[in-house]
Amino acid sequence: DAGVIQSPRHEVTEMGQEVTLRCKPISGHDYLFWYRQTMMRGLELLIYFNNNVPIDDSGMPEDRFSAKMPNASFSTLKIQPSEPRDSAVYFCASSFRKYEQYFGPGTRLTVT
Amino acid sequence: QKEVEQDPGPLSVPEGAIVSLNCTYSNSAFQYFMWYRQYSRKGPELLMYTYSSGNKEDGRFTAQVDKSSKYISLFIRDSQPSDSATYLCAMSSYGGSQGNLIFGKGTKLSVKP
Repeated sequence: DAGVIQSPRHEVTEMGQEVTLRCKPISGHDYLFWYRQTMMRGLELLIYFNNNVPIDDSGMPEDRFSAKMPNASFSTLKIQPSEPRDSAVYFCASSFRKYEQYFGPGTRLTVT
Repeated sequence: QKEVEQDPGPLSVPEGAIVSLNCTYSNSAFQYFMWYRQYSRKGPELLMYTYSSGNKEDGRFTAQVDKSSKYISLFIRDSQPSDSATYLCAMSSYGGSQGNLIFGKGTKLSVKP
């Protein structure tokens, strides 16, 4: 199994630009999670899906962030417009049982 | 008070030492307890998963939960340089659509040869 796949691995963009992060979960997993990790705040849950349906988006910082899961094998996290304070590592994770989450390698986002 | 507290370290030990990593928490409803290992510039990797109280052993790793003290521990026996990583605890209250995982900020461990 290839594990959770995320792209791109690194993204550098200018303030105001749109950023799209992509995730392919492990086949057969019915939960998909988006996290953000920073030194200051640690690992924070942004949103999660169950069977492609968004269940809890209370961690999404503001309306500039949106996430979609059009099918069981693909999800996107979009930031529009991006700001320097969005700089962080964004992780996607998937699971069959909710608490045994398997993380992808992350996307390191830098907004200048 | 934060829901999950974890000493960030860094913790430096010689190879072969027994390592003790700990987290405290404030929410008495937490039932699921996990330890993740994160190597530099990698995603967290699930190490141990415990439901409710007690001990769980897996090779050189032992996870311990003391719900009365709201305290969980991860012990690493015969530590190896390859154990050098950041260890994050995570916990949740219950299943269903609620009870999301709450992570500690992680303890950075360095095992010196």
